Amino acid sequence: NAGVTQTPKFQVLKTGQSMTLQCAQDMNHNSMYWYRQDPGMGLRLIYYSASEGTTDKGEVPNGYNVSRLNKREFSLRLESAAPSQTSVYFCASSERRTSVYFGAGTRLSVL
Amino acid sequence: DQQVKQNSPSLSVQEGRISILNCDYTNSMFDYFLWYKKYPAEGPTFLISISSIKDKNEDGRFTVFLNKSAKHLSLHIVPSQPGDSAVYFCAASANAGGTSYGKLTFGQGTILTVHP
Repeated sequence: NAGVTQTPKFQVLKTGQSMTLQCAQDMNHNSMYWYRQDPGMGLRLIYYSASEGTTDKGEVPNGYNVSRLNKREFSLRLESAAPSQTSVYFCASSERRTSVYFGAGTRLSVL
Repeated sequence: DQQVKQNSPSLSVQEGRISILNCDYTNSMFDYFLWYKKYPAEGPTFLISISSIKDKNEDGRFTVFLNKSAKHLSLHIVPSQPGDSAVYFCAASANAGGTSYGKLTFGQGTILTVHP
């Protein structure tokens, strides 16, 4: 069982470059989420998708865009990366409150 | 303003003893609380949860206690094992229907080290 799969695992960007973080889940969950984790802080919600075709902003959406490509896939795009976006990014999916599953994370450095 | 706080960045205990991790929250709308465990280079994994209608939930070696009046919850691990060494996150959610299940507010995390 793969669960939630994120690609890539690591990425280094230069300021101003763009990239897309990919996420896919195989649990047939309706809802998917993107979080970021910074040192000394908990995970913070960037964007979420309650169901296929819908997306909404979370706590820290600035500088990001998302696409819910289908029920399985939810991507996060950085159009013009900034050093402040250096972080670990986690994708999650859920169906019930006790079934929020996270991917292994993407470690992004913006120089 | 941090709505979920874990004021102890780290905790060190001896194998076999009890580990107690604490969490405080400020938002009265939170009605469901979860604990996640995270190993390095992995995503958080669900450990145990509690609804606001309960004050205790137990699962094997793990027990979560909720004190609503104090807006405080704690995770007890008894007995602690070296494999429990990880970062533990407290998280909370407010009931806004099914779409809210993954909209979690996390604490900063507590690094637990269990010494053999």
